[in-house]
Amino acid sequence: AQSVSQHNHHVILSEAASLELGCNYSYGGTVNLFWYVQYPGQHLQLLLKYFSGDPLVKGIKGFEAEFIKSKFSFNLRKPSVQWSDTAEYFCAVRLNAGNNRKLIWGLGTSLAVNP
Amino acid sequence: DAGVIQSPRHEVTEMGQEVTLRCKPISGHNSLFWYRQTMMRGLELLIYFNNNVPIDDSGMPEDRFSAKMPNASFSTLKIQPSEPRDSAVYFCASSFRPGLAGDTGELFFGEGSRLTVL
Repeated sequence: AQSVSQHNHHVILSEAASLELGCNYSYGGTVNLFWYVQYPGQHLQLLLKYFSGDPLVKGIKGFEAEFIKSKFSFNLRKPSVQWSDTAEYFCAVRLNAGNNRKLIWGLGTSLAVNP
Repeated sequence: DAGVIQSPRHEVTEMGQEVTLRCKPISGHNSLFWYRQTMMRGLELLIYFNNNVPIDDSGMPEDRFSAKMPNASFSTLKIQPSEPRDSAVYFCASSFRPGLAGDTGELFFGEGSRLTVL
């Protein structure tokens, strides 16, 4: 069965530190890839996505992610985090085959940024 | 644009009672999703609709859960009877139908309904 793995469950960083959150998926076909963010007490919002083209995608608030097809990975990065980046981050994959194109979600990574 | 609207935002009920959660998707979106979020299990897809028709309900926990979408602008998720283990935040999300014109892949989430079953 298809799955999405986020290896880091909890990450604690100090402000200005660099961030990289891992995301791997298991599916050999064409996929669309997403990162969503959920700030404390709020709903999920799209951070960035990859459909096709340049495998390095840039999102809001200085986040970027790189799709490496050979590694089935879509890691999220930010060069310098801020306290306001404290949130839960979810990686999701949509399979581009068949009629059921639901998203498959990772379990999320909780990021705490200390001021 | 009002976004996805869910009600109630908070509900506290007693075990055995019926719970109905409501969702109004973004106008023009033709896919609607119900998710449940808990600390233990993360984000779980319960059911999703395309053009008001249920496509995948494999995530619905059991017969106590039912969902309807009578028209393009309204959906309900019902739990009857409710149990303490149903306590969670229930999110509704909408999008354009995958693969069709207008599909950006983005899901737009509501603020969620926090359910507590005592």
